[in-house]
Amino acid sequence: EAQVTQNPRYLITVTGKKLTVTCSQNMNHEYMSWYRQDPGLGLRQIYYSMNVEVTDKGDVPEGYKVSRKEKRNFPLILESPSPNQTSLYFCASSLSGGLGQPQHFGDGTRLSIL
Amino acid sequence: GESVGLHLPTLSVQEGDNSIINCAYSNSASDYFIWYKQESGKGPQFIIDIRSNMDKRQGQRVTVLLNKTVKHLSLQIAATQPGDSAVYFCAEKTSYDKVIFGPGTSLSVIP
Repeated sequence: EAQVTQNPRYLITVTGKKLTVTCSQNMNHEYMSWYRQDPGLGLRQIYYSMNVEVTDKGDVPEGYKVSRKEKRNFPLILESPSPNQTSLYFCASSLSGGLGQPQHFGDGTRLSIL
Repeated sequence: GESVGLHLPTLSVQEGDNSIINCAYSNSASDYFIWYKQESGKGPQFIIDIRSNMDKRQGQRVTVLLNKTVKHLSLQIAATQPGDSAVYFCAEKTSYDKVIFGPGTSLSVIP
């Protein structure tokens, strides 16, 4: 089954404790992206990757890191999480970053930073 | 599932009626537009898309209209069903650039 898989689905942690949210897709997609979703703000793009070893900032990259060492994986790293990063996070992928390529989304990761 | 939009515009329709969800997009240079549906506890799911060289595109029970003059996008759902209840997002994209999502509209179908 074609899918985007995020782990963990839920995480409660404390300020300053480094964490990584993994994202994996099995569709051989080139484009991958991370979003955060907050009430009233919709989805905001954090980082995106056009292909392996190519990453770019989205609208809200501060406090986050990403890497794209393999085509299928695109982990989101919070080096020193803070309470304002409490949010619902989605990973997405598409065949390419070009036009006409809608994204496939994972089911989300709920992060709570205390 | 959890609510993902506590301050969303809400549209309530009777089952069987047609629904129209509107979206104002921000960038006049955007040339690709997508509608997504998000059910509670799940990620957004692709519904339909349209390129800027078109003003209308139809799918199964859904139609997207694009008015570039006023930067407006709409999603029409025919014969709305209870399973259509969800939050609907429009998204815009410029070539190989970032994707920008609208704030979303919550659709509630009354049986």
